[in-house]
Amino acid sequence: ETGVTQTPRHLVMGMTNKKSLKCEQHLGHNAMYWYKQSAKKPLELMFVYSLEERVENNSVPSRFSPECPNSSHLFLHLHTLQPEDSALYLCASSHQVQGRSYEQYFGPGTRLTVT
Amino acid sequence: GENVEQHPSTLSVQEGDSAVIKCTYSDSASNYFPWYKQELGKRPQLIIDIRSNVGEKKDQRIAVTLNKTAKHFSLHITETQPEDSAVYFCAASPLQAGTALIFGKGTTLSVSS
Repeated sequence: ETGVTQTPRHLVMGMTNKKSLKCEQHLGHNAMYWYKQSAKKPLELMFVYSLEERVENNSVPSRFSPECPNSSHLFLHLHTLQPEDSALYLCASSHQVQGRSYEQYFGPGTRLTVT
Repeated sequence: GENVEQHPSTLSVQEGDSAVIKCTYSDSASNYFPWYKQELGKRPQLIIDIRSNVGEKKDQRIAVTLNKTAKHFSLHITETQPEDSAVYFCAASPLQAGTALIFGKGTTLSVSS
């Protein structure tokens, strides 16, 4: 499969559950991102990984924990979420050269509902 | 940090008319400004981008202009078609955030035939 893929596409979880979102990119990129998309704050940057190192953590609550084991995979571990965390979680990847940004390719997203 | 403001939040035009969406940014060090289109239920996709060393860029019916002094950039769509209906996001890439993008809140464009 090409491009950026995300699993699961839909997730319903209770506030006490622990779950993980998975993202995989097949584009040979070296930077990956997590965004939260909700009606109130569209496309809110959460985390940035460049060369597998986290370079940006945009004041995200600790109940969200990212993991980037290699340049092709990115995870978002979720625990004790709140109903306001319900949103579409988008993963993206891009090529990265120091100081120069390039097009970000988005995955289809995971629609998360916290009950 | 960088802050991107986008206007209008909704825009309705007749088929064949032009549409203009405007964004302002706060960080003068930002050097990359892409525009993404997101159709209902689909992922955002890049439609055009511009770098800070260029003032204008055009791709068929779509153009982007950048005014570095005023820190604003605009998307222009000419001869709009119903398939242009979507949410459009502008973004800026501040240097201190590596290659991260800070997005505006989006503009919902509706093109009626």
